[in-house]
Amino acid sequence: KAGVTQTPRYLIKTRGQQVTLSCSPISGHRSVSWYQQTPGQGLQFLFEYFSETQRNKGNFPGRFSGRQFSNSRSEMNVSTLELGDSALYLCASSLEGAGDTDTQYFGPGTRLTVL
Amino acid sequence: KNEVEQSPQNLTAQEGEFITINCSYSVGISALHWLQQHPGGGIVSLFMLSSGKKKHGRLIATINIQEKHSSLHITASHPRDSAVYICAVGGWSSNYQLIWGAGTKLIIKP
Repeated sequence: KAGVTQTPRYLIKTRGQQVTLSCSPISGHRSVSWYQQTPGQGLQFLFEYFSETQRNKGNFPGRFSGRQFSNSRSEMNVSTLELGDSALYLCASSLEGAGDTDTQYFGPGTRLTVL
Repeated sequence: KNEVEQSPQNLTAQEGEFITINCSYSVGISALHWLQQHPGGGIVSLFMLSSGKKKHGRLIATINIQEKHSSLHITASHPRDSAVYICAVGGWSSNYQLIWGAGTKLIIKP
């Protein structure tokens, strides 16, 4: 079974631009969660999508948005990039997305650098 | 106070040593996860447990629900165990989303 894939792996953008990151979950997984990881900080939860609906959302500004398609693939968009958005963005997929019973499988991440 | 606290933050040990990483949490949970993140970012789920103890190879994870505490042990540590180990908890109190610890950076010297 193929693992979680994320594209692109590396991205360099300038302030004010927007960016779209993509995540393809493991086949059969319906939940996709997105996380931001910056140096010195733990994983910060962005949002979770399940069956094309945003089910949970973390504490991030509205510049961060996402969506999920019918094949469970998910995209994350960041508009009006700021220097502080430079981070590793990780997506994780699981069968049902329940943080109490489901194992999350992580993708390799997209490293975004904002100049 | 963070809802999930890990200790130590950093740990350096010699190859072969027995390693213990601790995780304490303050919220009600249904399960606790231990994950491993290698340099470069890849995260691998090691264990998900809600009671007792699990073992996989040289890794052992225990949880005490009453004390809200979990430990991850590595026996006969090896340089390839060098990574960041992250504890995360989930349950009804967090709307079933995972609450993450800050991680423990482990370095095993040959």
